[in-house]
Amino acid sequence: DADVTQTPRNRITKTGKRIMLECSQTKGHDRMYWYRQDPGLGLRLIYYSFDVKDINKGEISDGYSVSRQAQAKFSLSLESAIPNQTALYFCATWTGGHGYTFGSGTRLTVV
Amino acid sequence: QKEVEQNSGPLSVPEGAIASLNCTYSDRGSQSFFWYRQYSGKSPELIMSIYSNGDKEDGRFTAQLNKASQYVSLLIRDSQPSDSATYLCAVPLFSGGYNKLIFGAGTRLAVHP
Repeated sequence: DADVTQTPRNRITKTGKRIMLECSQTKGHDRMYWYRQDPGLGLRLIYYSFDVKDINKGEISDGYSVSRQAQAKFSLSLESAIPNQTALYFCATWTGGHGYTFGSGTRLTVV
Repeated sequence: QKEVEQNSGPLSVPEGAIASLNCTYSDRGSQSFFWYRQYSGKSPELIMSIYSNGDKEDGRFTAQLNKASQYVSLLIRDSQPSDSATYLCAVPLFSGGYNKLIFGAGTRLAVHP
């Protein structure tokens, strides 16, 4: 099993819909992160969490919210999806000296 | 100035050549540096990390760090077509409390037979 699992892998949704992307990890890492990736812009941080009670905004948090339901689970929600939120989304955990371990990603398309 | 900068490429090299990928960062307090490889549509995977000035070698990969110049590079020797990917430089910035990685936009490498 993968250390970091993201669901769904692909999703097409309509403008204005609420959508949740889920992330779970099996290694017991405290720090979890959500990034989005757009062509030419690299990975940009949306939100991060150091434990269940510690949630922090990243550089592009507007239009997104998160929930850390347990140490192993960190979900990203788009309250009202818009087309410019079409992107590849990655969840990651911090492994210390080895940097991040990434999930396989969720390709989200908002039409 | 962006916090972490890379040339977007594409960098095209022939098979067997040395590919040189460069990255500069803005925060003099940064202490650790990471190189990730990302194939199209896939998640980034860690290739190298480096913490001290100088060179660090791992197989065909060598990371080079110069903190005075705020410069980190990745050399790939004997480049193979399978090395064709986007290479991401990532730095935990002192200004961010070292709590998160800031990524460059990535350099696309194309190795042609």
